[in-house]
Amino acid sequence: EPEVTQTPSHQVTQMGQEVILRCVPISNHLYFYWYRQILGQKVEFLVSFYNNEISEKSEIFDDQFSVERPDGSNFTLKIRSTKLEDSAMYFCASSEQDSYEQYFGPGTRLTVT
Amino acid sequence: LAKTTQPISMDSYEGQEVNITCSHNNIATNDYITWYQQFPSQGPRFIIQGYKTKVTNEVASLFIPADRKSSTLSLPRVSLSDTAVYYCLVGADTGRRALTFGSGTRLQVQP
Repeated sequence: EPEVTQTPSHQVTQMGQEVILRCVPISNHLYFYWYRQILGQKVEFLVSFYNNEISEKSEIFDDQFSVERPDGSNFTLKIRSTKLEDSAMYFCASSEQDSYEQYFGPGTRLTVT
Repeated sequence: LAKTTQPISMDSYEGQEVNITCSHNNIATNDYITWYQQFPSQGPRFIIQGYKTKVTNEVASLFIPADRKSSTLSLPRVSLSDTAVYYCLVGADTGRRALTFGSGTRLQVQP
């Protein structure tokens, strides 16, 4: 069964450093998303991406965040200058259609020290 | 987005049927009801989606009464591996696709 993959599984970085989280969505999917979940809290939407542009973003997704689809398979989330409060699990998701049926990856645990 | 209310937690035993009810009193005409499952340290997993009456797949059934102000996710014969958090989401099937997760229902299945 096709699945969304994410790398790395765990990233530790120092405050102020840039990080790039990588995702490989399911190959025939056209819609891509990033969510995050701070430990013990709700899953929060960050951004959706379609046709090489952002479709929607939340208030969390400020100028420190950016997304990119650098090639036909990868989808990345960049945080330019990490803060302690960026520590969370970051989930990538994809969907075939513009749909509530989204397929999530296993997540990247980001720890900012 | 319609606000949803579901129990914080539920306990069950292996082999039992579990029904998790979600209230969504202000559901709109074009809203669908979607359920996700999340295991610890994993991403949410789509379980089922419906608009009215009953939907069944290999994992669960979803019952939606005529007024659509609530819905019930039914898990037949649960096992220990069904221990997870279950989320009820309500939203339109057009336009905005950002999933809005609440706190969900933490289901604990005991042997």
